[in-house]
Amino acid sequence: KQEVTQIPAALSVPEGENLVLNCSFTDSAIYNLQWFRQDPGKGLTSLLLIQSSQREQTSGRLNASLDKSSGRSTLYIAASQPGDSATYLCAVGQGGSEKLVFGKGTKLTVNP
Amino acid sequence: GAVVSQHPSWVICKSGTSVKIECRSLDFQATTMFWYRQFPKQSLMLMATSNEGSKATYEQGVEKDKFLINHASLTLSTLTVTSAHPEDSSFYICSASARGTNHGRNQPQHFGDGTRLSIL
Repeated sequence: KQEVTQIPAALSVPEGENLVLNCSFTDSAIYNLQWFRQDPGKGLTSLLLIQSSQREQTSGRLNASLDKSSGRSTLYIAASQPGDSATYLCAVGQGGSEKLVFGKGTKLTVNP
Repeated sequence: GAVVSQHPSWVICKSGTSVKIECRSLDFQATTMFWYRQFPKQSLMLMATSNEGSKATYEQGVEKDKFLINHASLTLSTLTVTSAHPEDSSFYICSASARGTNHGRNQPQHFGDGTRLSIL
């Protein structure tokens, strides 16, 4: 059974700092991996989707990497801003079923 | 971009009431819709997967008679929590994936804004 772990559970940084969020998964036979952002009481916004054959994806200040063999992904946020404060969720897509298995998320607070 | 609308966003009702939550894909045809449940500070847990025109597939431990799912069209799926009790209070989120030709790869899921259900 696939299990997704995100470390740390919470992170507080000053504005402008670069930071890394970590995600690990137990079964490397994944189809893809996706990073989402969730604001309090809201749904999910997709940030980056990495297919299993890819090693990284970039969008603006965000960069996500994937090391399937070691079961790890990182989300790098450059020059963090208070507006980046949210919970960041990692989810892995299981091949063929379209199911996503989510981690518990990392709650990020960027202080002005 | 693909937009998924979920309604209502917040429901407060008495124990024993049945509550219906709607999930609509506004600008694409959703062949598959997913229903998730999220407890505070916990991850999203998949409850069921529904394909248009067929019965939903429920995850282990999810009561299909308690959580009725209907996916009658390519743009609408509904989740009905029957005879809701306080332990059913949670945040319910739907997502939809489009009919696509992404070379056999999983289609990305687009999420609604969720429904906060509070049972008194």
